[in-house]
Amino acid sequence: TQLLEQSPQFLSIQEGENLTVYCNSSSVFSSLQWYRQEPGEGPVLLVTVVTGGEVKKLKRLTFQFGDARKDSSLHITAAQPGDTGLYLCAGVSGAGSYQLTFGKGTKLSVIP
Amino acid sequence: GAVVSQHPSRVICKSGTSVKIECRSLDFQATTMFWYRQFPKQSLMLMATSNEGSKATYEQGVEKDKFLINHASLTLSTLTVTSAHPEDSSFYICSARDPLAGGSSYNEQFFGPGTRLTVL
Repeated sequence: TQLLEQSPQFLSIQEGENLTVYCNSSSVFSSLQWYRQEPGEGPVLLVTVVTGGEVKKLKRLTFQFGDARKDSSLHITAAQPGDTGLYLCAGVSGAGSYQLTFGKGTKLSVIP
Repeated sequence: GAVVSQHPSRVICKSGTSVKIECRSLDFQATTMFWYRQFPKQSLMLMATSNEGSKATYEQGVEKDKFLINHASLTLSTLTVTSAHPEDSSFYICSARDPLAGGSSYNEQFFGPGTRLTVL
């Protein structure tokens, strides 16, 4: 069973601060996705990273896939209250596999 | 973008009754749909993979006779929780994969808004 460890589990910061969320595994993933989930709603895809070492930016969010495709990070610059939510990483194990393995999530609270 | 709907959004039922949850892909045909369960403050746990026209594949520890999945068409999968008990209370989320999506979207799953099940 492939596991994805996310850290930190909870994060409470002031508006304007920067933060990084980590997603680590001992397994290699063919691709990795980051989602954001609001309470009572389904997850919404933020980004998919496929290539080892890949960096993708989405406004103030920067996503990086590790060179070995075992880990990923999400960095948020100048966090805003609207960034509050549950951030989930999910990995796809291999070619032809469509199943996602989710990390436990990082609950982010940005205080105005 | 692809849209997936779920119905109902919330359901409260008595212990021992059965509840059916529908998952629909609104603007694409989904050969594969997935059912997840999420307990409070926890992540999504895959319950089963639903393939159109064939039997669902259940994850280890998920009772197939309790969680009946039917994927009779390319746009609809249903999950029936049979003889529900309070411990089945959870947030059930489905997702669907668009087989025609290209590039990095090939493995993308589009998630429904979830169904909150409360069993009294």
